[in-house]
Amino acid sequence: AQKVTQAQTEISVVEKEDVTLDCVYETRDTTYYLFWYKQPPSGELVFLIRRNSFDEQNEISGRYSWNFQKSTSSFNFTITASQVVDSAVYFCALSGSYNQGGKLIFGQGTELSVKP
Amino acid sequence: EADIYQTPRYLVIGTGKKITLECSQTMGHDKMYWYQQDPGMELHLIHYSYGVNSTEKGDLSSESTVSRIRTEHFPLTLESARPSHTSQYLCASTTGSTEAFFGQGTRLTVV
Repeated sequence: AQKVTQAQTEISVVEKEDVTLDCVYETRDTTYYLFWYKQPPSGELVFLIRRNSFDEQNEISGRYSWNFQKSTSSFNFTITASQVVDSAVYFCALSGSYNQGGKLIFGQGTELSVKP
Repeated sequence: EADIYQTPRYLVIGTGKKITLECSQTMGHDKMYWYQQDPGMELHLIHYSYGVNSTEKGDLSSESTVSRIRTEHFPLTLESARPSHTSQYLCASTTGSTEAFFGQGTRLTVV
């Protein structure tokens, strides 16, 4: 069975602090895809990143970076120099090789609060 | 920016009413999905479709039904709404080789 665990339910930081959101996954598929989505208070899900199981390179996009480690089945997300606009619920998600993008198993979400 | 739209954004309705939540996308995606999200909770897949006249139930059992008569349209219907149906419903679409694009969601409250 596939499963995604985000152990941190809520995180509160002060603006400009760095923060890491943890994501651990379980799957028996050899090919799979991992995602991070942001859900602001308005409710929509905003896509942040997709990573396939064969690409273990870390990725940096502005203040965002992702650390994918197959050895520990983790796909952690770091925000550097956090800002108030980063306040949202962040979801890590997993899909199998056939479904790739749509049939997702979501983690429980981590609610990030960035205070000024 | 994703071109997937859900209406209404908010709906408060009485028990026993029939409701249809609309979802449309203009990207020509074959694959469409409905997720249910209770307040403060993770999302669970309730329905999906891989093309016209194709619909399947997702991992979470739901009393709702869906139809896919046109590629761009994937409505969700509740024949008789109950308070237990109170939730946010999110629609998504993808080509299958890209990430899923989500609509803004419908927040349903059944009183």
